[in-house]
Amino acid sequence: QVQLVQSGAEVKKPGASVRVSCKASGYTFTGYYMHWVRQAPGQGLEWMGWFNPNSGDTRYAQTFRGRVTMTGDTSISTAYMEMSGLRSVDTAVYFCAKLNPSNAFDIWGQGTMVTISS
Amino acid sequence: QSALTQPPSASGSPGQSVTISCTGTSSDVGGYNYVSWYQQPPGKAPKLMIYDVNKRPSGVPDRFSGSKSGNTASLTVSGLQAEDEADYYCTSYAGSNDYVFGTGTKVTVL
Repeated sequence: QVQLVQSGAEVKKPGASVRVSCKASGYTFTGYYMHWVRQAPGQGLEWMGWFNPNSGDTRYAQTFRGRVTMTGDTSISTAYMEMSGLRSVDTAVYFCAKLNPSNAFDIWGQGTMVTISS
Repeated sequence: QSALTQPPSASGSPGQSVTISCTGTSSDVGGYNYVSWYQQPPGKAPKLMIYDVNKRPSGVPDRFSGSKSGNTASLTVSGLQAEDEADYYCTSYAGSNDYVFGTGTKVTVL
Protein backbone atom coordinates (compact mmCIF):
# COMPACT_ATOMS: atom_id res chain seq x y z
CA GLN A 1 0.00 0.00 0.00
CA VAL A 2 1.00 3.63 -0.38
CA GLN A 3 2.96 4.75 2.66
CA LEU A 4 5.64 7.07 3.97
CA VAL A 5 7.92 5.80 6.73
CA GLN A 6 10.05 8.32 8.59
CA SER A 7 13.24 7.96 10.59
CA GLY A 8 13.24 7.76 14.35
CA ALA A 9 13.27 10.38 17.08
CA GLU A 10 16.27 12.66 17.46
CA VAL A 11 17.74 14.63 20.36
CA LYS A 12 20.06 17.46 19.39
CA LYS A 13 21.93 20.24 21.14
CA PRO A 14 21.29 23.91 20.30
CA GLY A 15 23.20 24.98 17.22
CA ALA A 16 23.41 21.47 15.80
CA SER A 17 21.81 20.14 12.61
CA VAL A 18 19.34 17.32 12.09
CA ARG A 19 18.33 15.27 9.05
CA VAL A 20 14.99 13.49 8.91
CA SER A 21 14.29 10.88 6.24
CA CYS A 22 11.01 9.83 4.65
CA LYS A 23 10.90 6.59 2.63
CA ALA A 24 8.09 6.28 0.11
CA SER A 25 6.57 3.04 -1.13
CA GLY A 26 3.57 1.93 -3.14
CA TYR A 27 3.68 4.74 -5.70
CA THR A 28 6.04 6.42 -8.19
CA PHE A 29 8.27 8.57 -5.98
CA THR A 30 9.23 10.94 -8.81
CA GLY A 31 5.62 11.60 -9.75
CA TYR A 32 4.57 13.68 -6.75
CA TYR A 33 5.93 16.57 -4.74
CA MET A 34 6.96 15.82 -1.16
CA HIS A 35 6.11 18.38 1.48
CA TRP A 36 7.29 18.84 5.06
CA VAL A 37 5.10 20.07 7.91
CA ARG A 38 6.06 20.91 11.48
CA GLN A 39 4.02 20.68 14.68
CA ALA A 40 5.41 22.07 17.94
CA PRO A 41 4.11 20.49 21.17
CA GLY A 42 0.47 21.46 21.70
CA GLN A 43 0.51 23.68 18.62
CA GLY A 44 -0.90 23.59 15.10
CA LEU A 45 0.48 22.43 11.78
CA GLU A 46 3.00 24.65 10.02
CA TRP A 47 3.90 24.25 6.35
CA MET A 48 7.68 24.19 5.79
CA GLY A 49 8.13 23.66 2.07
CA TRP A 50 8.38 21.09 -0.69
CA PHE A 51 10.81 19.03 -2.75
CA ASN A 52 10.15 17.88 -6.31
CA PRO A 53 11.78 14.42 -6.65
CA ASN A 54 11.61 14.59 -10.44
CA SER A 55 13.52 17.85 -10.91
CA GLY A 56 15.20 18.43 -7.55
CA ASP A 57 13.47 21.81 -7.28
CA THR A 58 12.53 23.12 -3.85
CA ARG A 59 10.41 25.85 -2.29
CA TYR A 60 10.65 26.86 1.36
CA ALA A 61 8.31 28.87 3.56
CA GLN A 62 9.76 32.26 4.42
CA THR A 63 10.20 31.22 8.08
CA PHE A 64 12.62 28.45 7.16
CA ARG A 65 14.61 29.93 4.28
CA GLY A 66 18.33 29.78 4.94
CA ARG A 67 18.01 27.06 7.60
CA VAL A 68 16.25 24.19 5.84
CA THR A 69 17.34 22.04 2.92
CA MET A 70 15.05 19.46 1.31
CA THR A 71 16.56 16.79 -0.90
CA GLY A 72 15.89 13.27 -2.10
CA ASP A 73 17.44 10.08 -3.40
CA THR A 74 15.31 8.64 -6.20
CA SER A 75 17.28 5.36 -6.18
CA ILE A 76 15.79 4.52 -2.79
CA SER A 77 12.59 6.62 -3.00
CA THR A 78 13.56 8.65 0.03
CA ALA A 79 13.16 12.34 0.80
CA TYR A 80 15.19 14.24 3.37
CA MET A 81 14.70 17.39 5.40
CA GLU A 82 17.78 18.91 7.00
CA MET A 83 17.61 21.82 9.42
CA SER A 84 20.64 23.68 10.76
CA GLY A 85 21.20 26.12 13.61
CA LEU A 86 18.69 24.31 15.81
CA ARG A 87 17.05 26.22 18.66
CA SER A 88 14.75 25.14 21.46
CA VAL A 89 11.76 26.47 19.51
CA ASP A 90 12.50 23.90 16.80
CA THR A 91 11.45 21.13 19.18
CA ALA A 92 8.56 19.59 17.28
CA VAL A 93 7.21 16.65 15.34
CA TYR A 94 8.20 16.84 11.69
CA PHE A 95 5.94 15.18 9.10
CA CYS A 96 6.50 14.43 5.45
CA ALA A 97 3.39 14.43 3.26
CA LYS A 98 2.74 13.51 -0.36
CA LEU A 99 0.89 16.13 -2.42
CA ASN A 100 -1.81 14.86 -4.79
CA PRO A 101 -2.81 16.54 -8.09
CA SER A 102 -5.54 18.48 -6.25
CA ASN A 103 -3.01 20.21 -4.03
CA ALA A 104 -4.00 18.11 -1.00
CA PHE A 105 -1.74 16.09 1.29
CA ASP A 106 -3.15 12.61 0.80
CA ILE A 107 -0.48 10.47 2.46
CA TRP A 108 1.43 11.38 5.62
CA GLY A 109 4.44 9.91 7.37
CA GLN A 110 4.08 8.89 11.00
CA GLY A 111 6.08 11.91 12.17
CA THR A 112 9.56 12.30 13.67
CA MET A 113 10.01 13.93 17.06
CA VAL A 114 13.03 16.24 17.16
CA THR A 115 13.98 17.51 20.62
CA ILE A 116 16.45 20.33 21.08
CA SER A 117 18.02 20.29 24.52
CA SER A 118 21.33 21.26 26.04
CA GLN B 1 1.91 34.16 4.74
CA SER B 2 -0.42 34.29 7.77
CA ALA B 3 -2.19 31.20 9.06
CA LEU B 4 -5.83 30.75 8.11
CA THR B 5 -8.19 31.54 11.00
CA GLN B 6 -10.21 28.75 12.61
CA PRO B 7 -12.19 28.78 15.88
CA PRO B 8 -10.15 27.13 18.66
CA SER B 9 -12.95 24.77 19.60
CA ALA B 10 -16.32 23.37 18.56
CA SER B 11 -18.57 20.81 20.15
CA GLY B 12 -21.79 18.90 19.75
CA SER B 13 -23.70 15.96 21.14
CA PRO B 14 -23.77 12.60 19.37
CA GLY B 15 -26.01 12.80 16.30
CA GLN B 16 -25.79 16.59 16.05
CA SER B 17 -23.87 18.60 13.46
CA VAL B 18 -20.87 20.85 13.92
CA THR B 19 -19.46 23.33 11.40
CA ILE B 20 -15.90 24.67 11.45
CA SER B 21 -14.94 27.81 9.57
CA CYS B 22 -11.60 28.59 7.93
CA THR B 23 -11.05 32.23 7.00
CA GLY B 24 -8.29 33.43 4.74
CA THR B 25 -7.88 36.07 2.07
CA SER B 26 -8.35 36.49 -1.65
CA SER B 27 -4.73 35.34 -2.03
CA ASP B 28 -5.42 31.88 -0.65
CA VAL B 29 -8.89 30.52 0.23
CA GLY B 30 -10.73 33.04 -1.91
CA GLY B 31 -8.41 32.76 -4.87
CA TYR B 32 -8.31 29.02 -5.45
CA ASN B 33 -10.56 25.98 -5.12
CA TYR B 34 -7.73 24.08 -3.45
CA VAL B 35 -8.98 23.95 0.12
CA SER B 36 -8.52 20.70 2.01
CA TRP B 37 -9.35 19.51 5.52
CA TYR B 38 -7.50 17.13 7.85
CA GLN B 39 -8.46 15.20 10.96
CA GLN B 40 -5.76 14.65 13.56
CA PRO B 41 -6.44 12.45 16.59
CA PRO B 42 -4.12 13.06 19.58
CA GLY B 43 -0.61 11.78 18.96
CA LYS B 44 -1.30 10.71 15.38
CA ALA B 45 -0.60 11.99 11.89
CA PRO B 46 -3.23 14.06 10.09
CA LYS B 47 -5.66 12.33 7.73
CA LEU B 48 -7.12 13.90 4.58
CA MET B 49 -10.91 14.27 4.89
CA ILE B 50 -11.86 16.80 2.18
CA TYR B 51 -10.02 18.14 -0.89
CA ASP B 52 -10.92 20.56 -3.71
CA VAL B 53 -13.22 22.35 -1.22
CA ASN B 54 -15.91 19.65 -1.18
CA LYS B 55 -14.62 16.28 -2.41
CA ARG B 56 -14.19 13.25 -0.16
CA PRO B 57 -11.39 10.71 -0.61
CA SER B 58 -12.42 7.10 -0.82
CA GLY B 59 -13.27 5.74 2.63
CA VAL B 60 -14.25 9.04 4.25
CA PRO B 61 -17.86 8.92 5.50
CA ASP B 62 -20.37 11.17 3.73
CA ARG B 63 -21.08 12.74 7.12
CA PHE B 64 -18.13 14.98 6.30
CA SER B 65 -18.80 17.77 3.81
CA GLY B 66 -17.04 20.96 2.72
CA SER B 67 -18.02 24.26 1.18
CA LYS B 68 -16.64 27.71 0.45
CA SER B 69 -17.99 31.22 0.17
CA GLY B 70 -15.64 34.05 -0.65
CA ASN B 71 -12.59 33.92 1.61
CA THR B 72 -14.14 31.46 4.07
CA ALA B 73 -14.26 27.69 3.76
CA SER B 74 -16.25 25.41 6.05
CA LEU B 75 -16.23 21.79 7.16
CA THR B 76 -19.46 20.27 8.44
CA VAL B 77 -19.59 17.02 10.36
CA SER B 78 -23.14 15.67 10.48
CA GLY B 79 -24.37 12.92 12.77
CA LEU B 80 -21.49 13.40 15.18
CA GLN B 81 -19.94 10.23 16.54
CA ALA B 82 -17.50 9.74 19.41
CA GLU B 83 -14.80 8.77 16.92
CA ASP B 84 -15.02 12.23 15.32
CA GLU B 85 -13.39 13.82 18.39
CA ALA B 86 -10.07 15.19 17.14
CA ASP B 87 -8.29 18.31 15.96
CA TYR B 88 -9.23 19.55 12.49
CA TYR B 89 -7.09 21.70 10.21
CA CYS B 90 -7.82 23.39 6.92
CA THR B 91 -5.20 24.22 4.34
CA SER B 92 -5.17 26.19 1.13
CA TYR B 93 -2.94 26.71 -1.85
CA ALA B 94 -1.67 30.29 -1.59
CA GLY B 95 -0.14 30.89 -5.01
CA SER B 96 3.55 30.89 -6.00
CA ASN B 97 3.71 27.22 -4.98
CA ASP B 98 3.11 28.15 -1.34
CA TYR B 99 0.62 26.57 1.05
CA VAL B 100 -0.87 27.67 4.35
CA PHE B 101 -2.55 25.81 7.22
CA GLY B 102 -5.35 26.92 9.46
CA THR B 103 -4.88 27.47 13.18
CA GLY B 104 -6.76 24.29 14.04
CA THR B 105 -10.04 23.47 15.79
CA LYS B 106 -10.54 20.97 18.58
CA VAL B 107 -13.84 19.15 18.14
CA THR B 108 -15.37 17.67 21.27
CA VAL B 109 -18.25 15.22 21.26
CA LEU B 110 -20.24 15.91 24.42
